[in-house]
Amino acid sequence: SAVISQKPSRDICQRGTSLTIQCQVDSQVTMMFWYRQQPGQSLTLIATANQGSEATYESGFVIDKFPISRPNLTFSTLTVSNMSPEDSSIYLCSAQDSDYGYTFGSGTRLTVV
Amino acid sequence: SQQGEEDPQALSIQEGENATMNCSYKTSINNLQWYRQNSGRGLVHLILIRSNEREKHSGRLRVTLDTSKKSSSLLITASRAADTASYFCATKDTGRRALTFGSGTRLQVQP
Repeated sequence: SAVISQKPSRDICQRGTSLTIQCQVDSQVTMMFWYRQQPGQSLTLIATANQGSEATYESGFVIDKFPISRPNLTFSTLTVSNMSPEDSSIYLCSAQDSDYGYTFGSGTRLTVV
Repeated sequence: SQQGEEDPQALSIQEGENATMNCSYKTSINNLQWYRQNSGRGLVHLILIRSNEREKHSGRLRVTLDTSKKSSSLLITASRAADTASYFCATKDTGRRALTFGSGTRLQVQP
């Protein structure tokens, strides 16, 4: 299965700033996904990123707050914009590398102070 | 999308005991998968069961699926301290590409 390198692994950021999270996949994948995991909670889908088209956002998430890029079949970024303490979470990227197979990055632990 | 529920939310057992976690979901699915997460890091895929399967085994793991009740269970036999982690079920809902995750069970295995 595909392997995803996600960085940074953690960051502490000032409120009002932005952070860009990168995910590099070691093989070409059509679909990539971004999830948020708030402290002690489960994973919530932010958006689906398909190469060559705009990302599709889930209810409650907007492009201005979480812009996503998907320039090719092996790379994607998620930016968390104008951060507030409520954005403190773990952010995970995921790729679908087969009909049934999903692989996940190791996560970015974001703390906003 | 609506997340499913898992129970228990937390489970503490002794090494060598069996651990059972349950998952309920709300939609029509293609398959259901179980993942493990250590200390808030990335997810590790454990096992997948298709919607036309009722039971599946992999090593110390046994998963069941009841599509009429929209529920699944994960059994870990002869647990080890290294099994301490959070466990999540995730469904591949019909018509969706992304996985939908359950609320998770935090398992603590005492040595």
